[in-house]
Amino acid sequence: DSGVTQTPKHLITATGQRVTLRCSPRSGDLSVYWYQQSLDQGLQFLIQYYNGEERAKGNILERFSAQQFPDLHSELNLSSLELGDSALYFCASSQGTSGSQETQYFGPGTRLLVL
Amino acid sequence: AQSVTQLGSHVSVSEGALVLLRCNYSSSVPPYLFWYVQYPNQGLQLLLKYTSAATLVKGINGFEAEFKKSETSFHLTKPSAHMSDAAEYFCALSSYSSASKIIFGSGTRLSIRP
Repeated sequence: DSGVTQTPKHLITATGQRVTLRCSPRSGDLSVYWYQQSLDQGLQFLIQYYNGEERAKGNILERFSAQQFPDLHSELNLSSLELGDSALYFCASSQGTSGSQETQYFGPGTRLLVL
Repeated sequence: AQSVTQLGSHVSVSEGALVLLRCNYSSSVPPYLFWYVQYPNQGLQLLLKYTSAATLVKGINGFEAEFKKSETSFHLTKPSAHMSDAAEYFCALSSYSSASKIIFGSGTRLSIRP
Protein backbone atom coordinates (compact mmCIF):
# COMPACT_ATOMS: atom_id res chain seq x y z
CA ASP A 1 0.00 0.00 0.00
CA SER A 2 1.59 3.24 -1.20
CA GLY A 3 -0.56 5.51 0.95
CA VAL A 4 -2.05 7.19 -2.12
CA THR A 5 -5.78 6.66 -2.50
CA GLN A 6 -7.90 7.07 -5.60
CA THR A 7 -11.65 7.00 -6.05
CA PRO A 8 -13.55 5.54 -7.71
CA LYS A 9 -11.80 2.31 -8.67
CA HIS A 10 -13.95 1.82 -11.73
CA LEU A 11 -16.05 4.21 -13.76
CA ILE A 12 -18.28 3.45 -16.72
CA THR A 13 -19.82 6.32 -18.62
CA ALA A 14 -21.01 7.36 -22.05
CA THR A 15 -19.42 9.48 -24.74
CA GLY A 16 -19.94 13.20 -24.26
CA GLN A 17 -20.20 12.91 -20.50
CA ARG A 18 -18.01 14.46 -17.80
CA VAL A 19 -16.37 12.65 -14.89
CA THR A 20 -14.24 13.58 -11.90
CA LEU A 21 -11.47 11.41 -10.54
CA ARG A 22 -10.21 12.00 -7.04
CA CYS A 23 -6.81 11.47 -5.46
CA SER A 24 -5.55 11.81 -1.91
CA PRO A 25 -1.76 11.97 -1.62
CA ARG A 26 0.38 10.36 1.06
CA SER A 27 0.44 12.22 4.32
CA GLY A 28 2.97 15.04 4.06
CA ASP A 29 3.36 14.95 0.29
CA LEU A 30 2.85 18.28 -1.42
CA SER A 31 3.05 17.18 -5.06
CA VAL A 32 0.40 15.29 -6.97
CA TYR A 33 0.86 13.90 -10.46
CA TRP A 34 -1.70 12.48 -12.89
CA TYR A 35 -0.91 9.83 -15.49
CA GLN A 36 -2.93 8.08 -18.17
CA GLN A 37 -2.19 4.47 -19.10
CA SER A 38 -3.74 3.12 -22.28
CA LEU A 39 -2.91 0.25 -24.59
CA ASP A 40 -2.04 2.45 -27.56
CA GLN A 41 -0.34 5.39 -25.81
CA GLY A 42 1.32 3.60 -22.92
CA LEU A 43 1.92 5.48 -19.68
CA GLN A 44 1.81 9.24 -20.16
CA PHE A 45 2.34 12.10 -17.74
CA LEU A 46 -0.60 14.50 -17.73
CA ILE A 47 -0.03 17.17 -15.12
CA GLN A 48 1.60 17.96 -11.77
CA TYR A 49 0.44 20.16 -8.91
CA TYR A 50 2.60 21.33 -6.06
CA ASN A 51 0.95 22.77 -2.97
CA GLY A 52 -2.07 23.93 -4.93
CA GLU A 53 -0.25 25.35 -7.91
CA GLU A 54 0.24 23.82 -11.35
CA ARG A 55 3.92 22.86 -11.63
CA ALA A 56 4.32 20.90 -14.86
CA LYS A 57 2.16 19.96 -17.80
CA GLY A 58 2.46 16.97 -20.09
CA ASN A 59 0.21 15.52 -22.76
CA ILE A 60 -3.02 16.70 -21.22
CA LEU A 61 -5.92 17.41 -23.56
CA GLU A 62 -7.80 20.71 -23.36
CA ARG A 63 -10.93 18.71 -22.44
CA PHE A 64 -9.13 17.61 -19.27
CA SER A 65 -8.40 19.78 -16.27
CA ALA A 66 -7.14 19.28 -12.76
CA GLN A 67 -6.81 21.11 -9.51
CA GLN A 68 -5.31 20.62 -6.09
CA PHE A 69 -7.24 21.79 -3.07
CA PRO A 70 -5.98 23.36 0.19
CA ASP A 71 -6.12 19.95 1.91
CA LEU A 72 -3.82 18.74 -0.93
CA HIS A 73 -6.21 16.27 -2.48
CA SER A 74 -6.54 16.57 -6.22
CA GLU A 75 -9.23 16.07 -8.79
CA LEU A 76 -8.90 15.32 -12.48
CA ASN A 77 -11.89 16.41 -14.55
CA LEU A 78 -12.48 14.78 -17.90
CA SER A 79 -15.16 16.30 -20.11
CA SER A 80 -16.74 15.63 -23.53
CA LEU A 81 -15.53 12.09 -23.17
CA GLU A 82 -14.59 10.06 -26.21
CA LEU A 83 -14.11 6.33 -26.65
CA GLY A 84 -10.37 6.89 -26.81
CA ASP A 85 -10.34 8.31 -23.29
CA SER A 86 -10.94 4.82 -21.91
CA ALA A 87 -7.83 4.12 -19.86
CA LEU A 88 -6.37 3.61 -16.44
CA TYR A 89 -5.74 6.93 -14.71
CA PHE A 90 -3.08 6.98 -12.03
CA CYS A 91 -2.35 9.54 -9.40
CA ALA A 92 1.05 9.71 -7.75
CA SER A 93 2.45 11.86 -4.99
CA SER A 94 5.83 12.95 -3.72
CA GLN A 95 7.18 15.29 -1.10
CA GLY A 96 7.73 17.84 -3.82
CA THR A 97 10.81 19.38 -2.30
CA SER A 98 13.61 17.71 -4.28
CA GLY A 99 12.42 18.07 -7.83
CA SER A 100 12.56 15.53 -10.58
CA GLN A 101 14.73 12.96 -8.79
CA GLU A 102 12.09 12.36 -6.18
CA THR A 103 10.37 9.05 -5.74
CA GLN A 104 6.75 9.18 -6.82
CA TYR A 105 4.30 6.91 -5.01
CA PHE A 106 1.46 5.65 -7.16
CA GLY A 107 -2.13 5.01 -6.25
CA PRO A 108 -4.05 1.93 -7.47
CA GLY A 109 -5.64 3.82 -10.34
CA THR A 110 -9.13 4.52 -11.64
CA ARG A 111 -10.21 2.44 -14.61
CA LEU A 112 -12.40 4.51 -16.92
CA LEU A 113 -14.51 2.91 -19.60
CA VAL A 114 -16.29 5.16 -22.07
CA LEU A 115 -19.07 3.45 -24.02
CA ALA B 1 14.23 15.65 -26.59
CA GLN B 2 14.27 12.88 -24.03
CA SER B 3 13.15 9.33 -24.68
CA VAL B 4 13.22 5.85 -23.21
CA THR B 5 13.33 2.64 -25.21
CA GLN B 6 12.68 -0.73 -23.66
CA LEU B 7 13.88 -3.58 -25.82
CA GLY B 8 11.46 -6.47 -25.83
CA SER B 9 7.81 -6.05 -24.93
CA HIS B 10 7.76 -9.57 -23.47
CA VAL B 11 10.53 -11.53 -21.78
CA SER B 12 10.11 -15.09 -20.53
CA VAL B 13 12.61 -16.81 -18.25
CA SER B 14 12.64 -19.98 -16.19
CA GLU B 15 12.35 -19.85 -12.43
CA GLY B 16 15.86 -19.51 -11.01
CA ALA B 17 17.31 -18.07 -14.23
CA LEU B 18 18.86 -14.65 -14.71
CA VAL B 19 16.45 -11.80 -15.43
CA LEU B 20 17.68 -9.09 -17.81
CA LEU B 21 15.35 -6.31 -18.89
CA ARG B 22 16.86 -3.79 -21.27
CA CYS B 23 16.43 -0.03 -21.20
CA ASN B 24 18.16 2.59 -23.31
CA TYR B 25 17.64 6.30 -22.94
CA SER B 26 18.27 9.50 -24.79
CA SER B 27 18.85 12.74 -22.93
CA SER B 28 20.85 15.87 -23.63
CA VAL B 29 21.24 16.56 -19.90
CA PRO B 30 22.22 14.24 -17.06
CA PRO B 31 19.28 11.91 -16.49
CA TYR B 32 17.60 10.50 -13.46
CA LEU B 33 16.53 6.95 -14.21
CA PHE B 34 13.94 4.75 -12.58
CA TRP B 35 12.58 1.23 -12.80
CA TYR B 36 8.99 0.68 -11.75
CA VAL B 37 7.06 -2.59 -11.46
CA GLN B 38 3.33 -2.99 -12.02
CA TYR B 39 1.62 -6.12 -10.79
CA PRO B 40 -1.74 -7.04 -12.34
CA ASN B 41 -4.53 -4.64 -11.38
CA GLN B 42 -2.20 -2.55 -9.22
CA GLY B 43 -0.42 0.76 -9.42
CA LEU B 44 3.28 1.23 -10.08
CA GLN B 45 5.88 0.58 -7.41
CA LEU B 46 9.41 1.95 -7.49
CA LEU B 47 12.07 -0.77 -7.73
CA LEU B 48 15.11 1.48 -7.82
CA LYS B 49 16.41 4.81 -9.06
CA TYR B 50 19.64 6.38 -10.29
CA THR B 51 20.25 10.01 -9.39
CA SER B 52 23.94 10.46 -10.30
CA ALA B 53 25.47 8.79 -7.26
CA ALA B 54 26.71 5.20 -7.57
CA THR B 55 26.31 3.76 -11.06
CA LEU B 56 25.26 0.36 -9.72
CA VAL B 57 21.93 0.76 -8.00
CA LYS B 58 20.39 -1.88 -5.78
CA GLY B 59 16.65 -2.00 -5.38
CA ILE B 60 13.97 -4.00 -3.70
CA ASN B 61 13.24 -7.70 -4.25
CA GLY B 62 16.83 -8.47 -5.31
CA PHE B 63 16.82 -6.28 -8.41
CA GLU B 64 19.67 -4.04 -9.45
CA ALA B 65 20.50 -1.84 -12.42
CA GLU B 66 23.70 -0.34 -13.76
CA PHE B 67 23.91 3.12 -15.31
CA LYS B 68 26.24 3.06 -18.31
CA LYS B 69 26.65 6.51 -19.78
CA SER B 70 28.77 5.34 -22.70
CA GLU B 71 26.03 2.92 -23.76
CA THR B 72 23.12 5.18 -22.65
CA SER B 73 21.70 2.14 -20.90
CA PHE B 74 20.11 1.30 -17.58
CA HIS B 75 19.38 -2.41 -17.75
CA LEU B 76 17.59 -4.17 -14.91
CA THR B 77 18.87 -7.52 -13.64
CA LYS B 78 18.10 -10.12 -11.02
CA PRO B 79 20.34 -13.17 -10.57
CA SER B 80 17.56 -15.67 -9.91
CA ALA B 81 13.95 -15.24 -11.05
CA HIS B 82 11.07 -16.08 -8.76
CA MET B 83 7.50 -16.77 -9.76
CA SER B 84 6.42 -13.65 -7.87
CA ASP B 85 8.53 -11.50 -10.23
CA ALA B 86 5.97 -11.94 -13.02
CA ALA B 87 4.75 -8.41 -13.75
CA GLU B 88 5.13 -5.45 -16.11
CA TYR B 89 8.31 -3.44 -15.72
CA PHE B 90 8.72 0.17 -16.77
CA CYS B 91 11.94 2.10 -17.24
CA ALA B 92 11.52 5.85 -16.78
CA LEU B 93 13.56 9.03 -17.12
CA SER B 94 13.48 12.52 -15.77
CA SER B 95 16.03 15.30 -15.32
CA TYR B 96 16.54 18.49 -13.38
CA SER B 97 15.33 20.37 -16.44
CA SER B 98 12.17 18.33 -16.93
CA ALA B 99 10.30 19.95 -14.07
CA SER B 100 9.37 16.63 -12.46
CA LYS B 101 7.96 15.17 -15.70
CA ILE B 102 8.73 11.49 -15.99
CA ILE B 103 8.95 9.84 -19.39
CA PHE B 104 8.11 6.16 -19.31
CA GLY B 105 9.19 3.41 -21.64
CA SER B 106 6.59 1.19 -23.25
CA GLY B 107 7.04 -1.52 -20.65
CA THR B 108 8.28 -5.12 -20.65
CA ARG B 109 6.08 -7.95 -19.49
CA LEU B 110 8.11 -10.52 -17.58
CA SER B 111 6.81 -14.09 -17.47
CA ILE B 112 8.35 -16.79 -15.31
CA ARG B 113 8.24 -20.43 -16.42
CA PRO B 114 8.09 -23.08 -13.66
